[in-house]
Amino acid sequence: DSGVTQTPKHLITATGQRVTLRCSPRSGDLSVYWYQQSLDQGLQFLIQYYNGEERAKGNILERFSAQQFPDLHSELNLSSLELGDSALYFCASSPEGTENTEAFFGQGTRLTVV
Amino acid sequence: AQKITQTQPGMFVQEKEAVTLDCTYDTSDPSYGLFWYKQPSSGEMIFLIYQGSYDQQNATEGRYSLNFQKARKSANLVISASQLGDSAMYFCAMWSGGYQKVTFGIGTKLQVIP
Repeated sequence: DSGVTQTPKHLITATGQRVTLRCSPRSGDLSVYWYQQSLDQGLQFLIQYYNGEERAKGNILERFSAQQFPDLHSELNLSSLELGDSALYFCASSPEGTENTEAFFGQGTRLTVV
Repeated sequence: AQKITQTQPGMFVQEKEAVTLDCTYDTSDPSYGLFWYKQPSSGEMIFLIYQGSYDQQNATEGRYSLNFQKARKSANLVISASQLGDSAMYFCAMWSGGYQKVTFGIGTKLQVIP
C-alpha cells in the first residue's frame, strides 16, 4: 500500500458527461501529480500541484482541469467526455515540489467512456 | 523537447538470472532525473530507482541498479537474480527541471521463466 488513495476505482460513464476523480496523497506529501495511461498514448503526465498551487503542466486537455485543496487532496475533473478519454488515471504524490524524489502512485481510477 | 526511448517491447529472462532493460533519453536540460517504475498486471505503479543527472555514482536499490551513461544518454535498469514476481511492465521516465514535466517511455514487458 503506497498510502495514496484514489476514488473511485472504476467509473463507467457516457460520452458528453463530466466526472471527478479524487486523490488523497500520502500524509505529509505536498505534491500531487496526475497521469493518464491509455493503450495508444502510453503513460502521459497531465499536471502537478504543489501545496495548492499548479506547479507543472503536461499534456492536459482543455476539457480537463484539476485542483488541490487546502487539505492537500486533489481532484481531476474531466468534462465533455469522449470515447478516447477511456484510460487508467493515476495520481501520485511526493514530499517535495520537484520530482527528484520517489513519487508514490495510487492504484488508479479506470475510466470507461461508452 | 524531451523523449524517452525503450526499444524492447518484451523480454524473457530465466529465474535467478540477471536482465538489463534498455532506456535512452533525450533532453537539452542539464538538470534532470531518471526513474524506473514497475507495473504488475494488477495495475499499480511501483517506484524502483532514481538517478539524478548530477549524481556521480550509479544508483542501486537492492536487486535493482541503474547503469547511467550520461554521454550516451542511457539509463538502463539491471535486475539481478530475477524472481517470478519481477514479471511486469517496466517504465523508464524522466523529470526535467527546465521543462517542468515528466516523460515516460512506452515500457518493456518482462517475463521471468521458471
